[in-house]
Amino acid sequence: DIQMTQSPSSLSASVGDRVTITCRASQSISSYLNWYQQKPGKAPRLLIYAASSLQSGVPSRFSGSGSGTDFTLTISSLQPEDFATYYCQQSYSSPHFTFGPGTKVDIK
Amino acid sequence: EVQLVQSGAEVKKPGESLKISCKGSGYRFTNYWIGWVRQMPGKGLEWMGIIYPGDSDTRYSPSFQGQVTISADKSISTAYLQWSSLKASDTAMYYCARRSGFGSSPSDYWGQGTLVTVSS
Repeated sequence: DIQMTQSPSSLSASVGDRVTITCRASQSISSYLNWYQQKPGKAPRLLIYAASSLQSGVPSRFSGSGSGTDFTLTISSLQPEDFATYYCQQSYSSPHFTFGPGTKVDIK
Repeated sequence: EVQLVQSGAEVKKPGESLKISCKGSGYRFTNYWIGWVRQMPGKGLEWMGIIYPGDSDTRYSPSFQGQVTISADKSISTAYLQWSSLKASDTAMYYCARRSGFGSSPSDYWGQGTLVTVSS
């Protein structure tokens, strides 16, 4: 199984801050890395796929980078609606498309 | 418009059986994999398994193999997740999600979730 880790597990930030979340895979997954946002009581929402491609309708302040084992999600200027939990997911190893444990972003 | 609509919340007793559903619309249901994701209370997302409704090819994550059954009825564009004997530890929110056909094949559309509560 491919294990996914994320850091930090939580962070506090202010509106306008630049936020970076890191995701690491236990083995190379090429660019088969996706990022999701989940707000309380809601289903996850796809933000980034293939490590760096922005899903349609997602604001351009979200960006992703990385390949192999190390990946990053960046929010360039945090907005009030961005306070949520963020998950990375590998889609390299079928059928076990593992998620990371999540990073909770809350208001400082 | 692509939609995945899941069946409503369930309250069951340990040992009971259950089948929840996920109905797709707005796209060719047979052409996309549908996955199931568990989220236990206050916890993260866990990928359970996936089915291709076109031929019912089904694959399970190791942790869920033998614990649940995933199926689909392509004639009514519906995927299912079922348990033969529920346990209290099955209490969770369950999401279905369509696996896209582009890029890294992420889950681009999600159902609204079905809350399953198992309690005596």
